[in-house]
Amino acid sequence: GAGVSQSPSNKVTEKGKDVELRCDPISGHTALYWYRQRLGQGLEFLIYFQGNSAPDKSGLPSDRFSAERTGESVSTLTIQRTQQEDSAVYLCASSSFQVPYEQYFGPGTRLTVT
Amino acid sequence: SQKIEQNSEALNIQEGKTATLTCNYTNYSPAYLQWYRQDPGRGPVFLLLIRENEKEKRKERLKVTFDTTLKQSLFHITASQPADSATYLCALERMDSSYKLIFGSGTRLLVRP
Repeated sequence: GAGVSQSPSNKVTEKGKDVELRCDPISGHTALYWYRQRLGQGLEFLIYFQGNSAPDKSGLPSDRFSAERTGESVSTLTIQRTQQEDSAVYLCASSSFQVPYEQYFGPGTRLTVT
Repeated sequence: SQKIEQNSEALNIQEGKTATLTCNYTNYSPAYLQWYRQDPGRGPVFLLLIRENEKEKRKERLKVTFDTTLKQSLFHITASQPADSATYLCALERMDSSYKLIFGSGTRLLVRP
């Protein structure tokens, strides 16, 4: 089947605008994760969904960031009033809710805030 | 808090040699540890998982060891090829929840032809 897909692949936006990033996980995967990766850096955990609920939002950097997931499938990550420090690659991953929980990643969305 | 350390310096080796990458962790004893490969401009790809009761795991030219006493995992690529050049990330389950991972920052491997 298809892997994890993300859209758009690239997004350039002006400072202060809102952006919405989309993730389509692997069908049947109940767990979904969002990460942020700055240039040359590791993965920074943002939020985790189990089904449609988000039991862990601890990684969201500020209240400008929010995410939702509907129908246990598609998820959107929204960044309001973007700042230049939001520029990064945003990665989405999904996994089944079974040990060993290996994660399958999408190609990411490269966000550039000018 | 949990901490994972991978060598931030790139590992540069000659084709055909064995590459060995190190992952050290502190403040936790995870039930399993995973290794991922990341190519530029792409998301990480799962490679191997090793459980705490396994000393060694192999998959083709890849070998992973897990020393829970030293709190260390070693990732080996034998007979390395230029196509193995990538960044390799280790990840382990988070202390607060086994179905979430904490990732190391990765080590870049360069295999010279």
